[in-house]
Amino acid sequence: SYVLTQAPSVSVAPGRTASISCGGNNVGSKSVHWYQQKPGQAPVLIIYSDTDRPSGIPERFSGSNSGNTATLTISRVEAGDEADYYCQVWDSSINHDAVFGGGTQLTVL
Amino acid sequence: EVQLVQSGAEVKKPGESLKISCKGSGYNFTNYWIGWVRQMPGKGLEWMGIIYPGDSDTRYSPSFQGQVTISADKSISTAYLQWSSLKASDTAMYYCARTGGAARPFDSWGQGTLVTVSS
Repeated sequence: SYVLTQAPSVSVAPGRTASISCGGNNVGSKSVHWYQQKPGQAPVLIIYSDTDRPSGIPERFSGSNSGNTATLTISRVEAGDEADYYCQVWDSSINHDAVFGGGTQLTVL
Repeated sequence: EVQLVQSGAEVKKPGESLKISCKGSGYNFTNYWIGWVRQMPGKGLEWMGIIYPGDSDTRYSPSFQGQVTISADKSISTAYLQWSSLKASDTAMYYCARTGGAARPFDSWGQGTLVTVSS
């Protein structure tokens, strides 16, 4: 089955830029979605189809996807961005299974 | 406003059965898939399966096939996740989420249902 790999944790100082990667075999050929989950809350969609932001999501959040790596970039990081971030794709090779990455915990120093 | 409202927390004993629900509102329930996602304590998101309430087309993750049953009642805009015999390892938060289908994101999530299985 298809596997998405994320680093367990990333740390960044306030005001700096955080990059969270999501690796997968030829993930650039798939549509990658990103979710933010704060402690005790349900996940929230923050980036869909590699680069698009749902309404209400700040422009500080952006995404890219090429080759074997998709990346979520958070510019001008704020304390409120501290959360777990998950990437997700659909694996069309097997009955359209949804696949989540293991998640990356973002710590704002 | 799209909303998915899940049933409340459950405490069960091993071997017991359970059915939890997810009620959609603010959109045409039959036109979107509803997926179920497990999150064990301190762990990541795991996709369990998905149902299309319009025709009850259902697909399961290989990891959960045979372990749970997903169903829906489109007349009351509600999807279900059920177990016939719970195990302690089923203890987790369970989320339902809406998606437009293959390649589309889960764009709206329920608040989660905490299931605790303990003797």
